[in-house]
Amino acid sequence: KNEVEQSPQNLTAQEGEFITINCSYSVGISALHWLQQHPGGGIVSLFMLSSGKKKHGRLIATINIQEKHSSLHITASHPRDSAVYICAVNRRVGGATNKLIFGTGTLLAVQP
Amino acid sequence: EAGVTQSPTHLIKTRGQQATLRCSPISGHTSVYWYQQALGLGLQFLLWYDEGEERNRGNFPPRFSGRQFPNYSSELNVNALELEDSALYLCASGGPGEQYFGPGTRLTVT
Repeated sequence: KNEVEQSPQNLTAQEGEFITINCSYSVGISALHWLQQHPGGGIVSLFMLSSGKKKHGRLIATINIQEKHSSLHITASHPRDSAVYICAVNRRVGGATNKLIFGTGTLLAVQP
Repeated sequence: EAGVTQSPTHLIKTRGQQATLRCSPISGHTSVYWYQQALGLGLQFLLWYDEGEERNRGNFPPRFSGRQFPNYSSELNVNALELEDSALYLCASGGPGEQYFGPGTRLTVT
């Protein structure tokens, strides 16, 4: 079983829809990241969370440390949001917290 | 503030050659991380350097090595290249609990 699980793996939405991508993890963490990767492109860091909720434009990320779960929401989705969204956690390894473990990603396609 | 930079953007090598990838962290960051994203696979942790020393290493053969310079920039070296080394190599810099990613170097081995 992967230490970081994302769902769904693939998601197709119509422009304007509200989108939710979920991430669950099974290890102790110090922070959780949401990353965006466009086809053939590099990775952009969207959010880094250790508690609560963050908002940037149409993107909202929440984390529940007790339930070991995070969600990424996209409001009023647009075709340019089409990308792979990756959840990654900073795993606590002994005293070190810098090792990142990645989920397999969610491929989002927003159709006009 | 400049972000994490990587060079080159693309690199084409033939099997058996060596590849050198470079990364410059965000000013003030002492840690540099390297990740590999091979085609069809997720991101995999490769190496973590901090203050000039290798702190942690992922499950990769010794052909993958690197170093961190006094200015905290880093090189990733891949020796005896194999076809399956073709991948996007990402560098990130940061401190405890935070990592900021560079745009990546796409290595193609033919």
